[in-house]
Amino acid sequence: DAKTTQPPSMDCAEGRAANLPCNHSTISGNEYVYWYRQIHSQGPQYIIHGLKNNETNEMASLIITEDRKSSTLILPHATLRDTAVYYCIVRSPSTGANSKLTFGKGITLSVRP
Amino acid sequence: GAGVSQTPSNKVTEKGKYVELRCDPISGHTALYWYRQSLGQGPEFLIYFQGTGAADDSGLPNDRFFAVRPEGSVSTLKIQRTERGDSAVYLCASSGTGTGNTGELFFGEGSRLTVL
Repeated sequence: DAKTTQPPSMDCAEGRAANLPCNHSTISGNEYVYWYRQIHSQGPQYIIHGLKNNETNEMASLIITEDRKSSTLILPHATLRDTAVYYCIVRSPSTGANSKLTFGKGITLSVRP
Repeated sequence: GAGVSQTPSNKVTEKGKYVELRCDPISGHTALYWYRQSLGQGPEFLIYFQGTGAADDSGLPNDRFFAVRPEGSVSTLKIQRTERGDSAVYLCASSGTGTGNTGELFFGEGSRLTVL
């Protein structure tokens, strides 16, 4: 799976949008971009994923650049409960032995009151 | 419950002892994953089952680590002759397969292993 690069940390004010960047310049054409987050002392939680189109769900929006070499996860109105480590992961289609997720260190988002 | 269940939630053992960690996946999920997570690090892949068979065990660090899933549901991670470096949170995840599957992994809360 392609490697991703994320800054180690960022913060934002409660109620503002949090924009979390991710670089994946070696992504292959059939690889998806997944985002998970991990709140302290809990297991990782799925947020969203996409291939090339922008995606939105009840938790977040995912913006993928046209060349697919980078993406941004957007939390539109961050709350204190969004403080967590966010992992950007590139993953082959969910078939066979390539379906594992490979986590990096992620980005620690701190939402301040 | 509806989620992935892991037991025990905490395990303290002495160096050299044998440990078993159990994972109950979400009912009907055919894929099951084991990860371990050390402090300040992201989860590290250990092994992945598709049904009863290990489809990818490339992450098992050495032959002291072994995992089974005999009936394609519950899985047990077994660690022999534990070492202090094995101390970590061991995470289990499961996912469905087939048409419409998003590839989402559902994680349990983890089993915290401390080797003294």
